Amino acid sequence: QVQLVESGGGVVQPGRSLRLSCAASGFTFSSYGMHWVRQAPGKGLEWVAVISLDGRNEYYADSVKGRFTISRDNSKNTLYLQMNSLRAEDTAVYYCAKGRGPLEYYFDYWGQGTLVTVSS
Amino acid sequence: DIQMTQSPSTLSASVGDRVTITCRASQSISTWLAWYQQRPGKAPKLLIYKASSLESGVPSRFSGSGSGTEFTLTISSLQPDDFATYYCQQYSSYSTFGQGTKVEIK
Repeated sequence: QVQLVESGGGVVQPGRSLRLSCAASGFTFSSYGMHWVRQAPGKGLEWVAVISLDGRNEYYADSVKGRFTISRDNSKNTLYLQMNSLRAEDTAVYYCAKGRGPLEYYFDYWGQGTLVTVSS
Repeated sequence: DIQMTQSPSTLSASVGDRVTITCRASQSISTWLAWYQQRPGKAPKLLIYKASSLESGVPSRFSGSGSGTEFTLTISSLQPDDFATYYCQQYSSYSTFGQGTKVEIK
């Protein structure tokens, strides 16, 4: 069955960096676009970024553009999110999510999430 | 950017009630709309895609309708498992979620 397992969250000071990982299994990872979605405590969902199945194309929400980088390693079935210049408003649970298809921007499987807290 | 607005923000209902949640897009998104259910502390779960297509394994009491800028999610007979928060999502241009509708016990 499809599994997505995020890791790498934690407490980090403003201005510092953090890298999240998402280990995928149970499907052909290289055949699907993959996404990051976040949820601030007590708030709604916010789409963060997407990467194409071959890793050549990436798109970002305006709120993270220029600070976050999404990447993937299809040989390791792993998705990444490099987060630089972190701000308090980046505090959230970060979910990785599988697109329904190569170009689909809705999500049929989600990980359990990893909490990132940006605080001094 | 396409903005999504859900109403109401909170809905109080009883088991067996028919429940309707509305989602409006700031511009036409055709039928590029999905609905998710999220229970506390859990990841969202896909219910409906392409405005009205029921995801496999989702009970038939859930249904979606609409096109263009106005959409609805209907639960025909609310069950105890259905008390949760529901989000709409447009995927016509990248992705945007509505702010959520919490369905609580009356």
